Amino acid sequence: QQQVKQSPQSLIVQKGGISIINCAYENTAFDYFPWYQQFPGKGPALLIAIRPDVSEKKEGRFTISFNKSAKQFSLHIMDSQPGDSATYFCAASRNDYKLSFGAGTTVTVRA
Amino acid sequence: ETGVTQTPRHLVMGMTNKKSLKCEQHLGHNAMYWYKQSAKKPLELMFVYSLEERVENNSVPSRFSPECPNSSHLFLHLHTLQPEDSALYLCASSQDVTGAYGYTFGSGTRLTVV
Repeated sequence: QQQVKQSPQSLIVQKGGISIINCAYENTAFDYFPWYQQFPGKGPALLIAIRPDVSEKKEGRFTISFNKSAKQFSLHIMDSQPGDSATYFCAASRNDYKLSFGAGTTVTVRA
Repeated sequence: ETGVTQTPRHLVMGMTNKKSLKCEQHLGHNAMYWYKQSAKKPLELMFVYSLEERVENNSVPSRFSPECPNSSHLFLHLHTLQPEDSALYLCASSQDVTGAYGYTFGSGTRLTVV
C-alpha cells in the first residue's frame, strides 16, 4: 500500500506566485521527511528535509511545514521562478533505508 | 554531475536479450540502491546493498539480478524482461543504510523493452 500520498498531481503557477504541495502519511513511526526535486532527464535531488521535532523549516524560497498531529507535511515554494519547473517528490522514513516516496507533483511556472 | 553515474542512459532491448545496467559512485557512501520509476507512480525500491551485502530484495522478479562487487559499483543484470518492465531505473547511494542524510541519485537509465 502507498505509505505517502501526495497531491496535487500537477500544478501551474505564475512567476512570483506560491506553489504548495501536500503530503500525508500513515506510519507514525516515520521520523524523517525529505523533499526531492527532479528535472527532466535527471535523477531526483534532495531539496530540503525536516524531522518531526520542528514544525517548519525554511531554506531560501523553499519551506516545509509539518503537522505531526494531522500526519501531514507540505512544501511551499515562494516567489516561484521558471527554473523551479520540475517534479517534486515527498518522502518519509523511520530512520532506516526504506524511504517511501509520494507519486510526485509536476510544477510548471509560467513566465 | 551528482557523484552517482549510471550507464547507459538509454537502453532498448528485446524480451529475449540479456543486458546490464551499471552504477558507480565516488562519494565514499556505504549504501547503494536500485529504484524503478514509472510514470505517475511513486519510486519503487528494488534492492538495497550495505557494504556490498544485499540487505533488501523488495519482492523483485528474478529476471532482475543485482550485483555489488564493491562499495563503489552496483549492477543490475536484466534477462527475459517484459514490456511492463519499461521504466526509468535509478541508482542511488547514501552515507549509510539509515539514509539519514538523504540519497544521491544518478540520472537513471531509460529502459524500453520491445
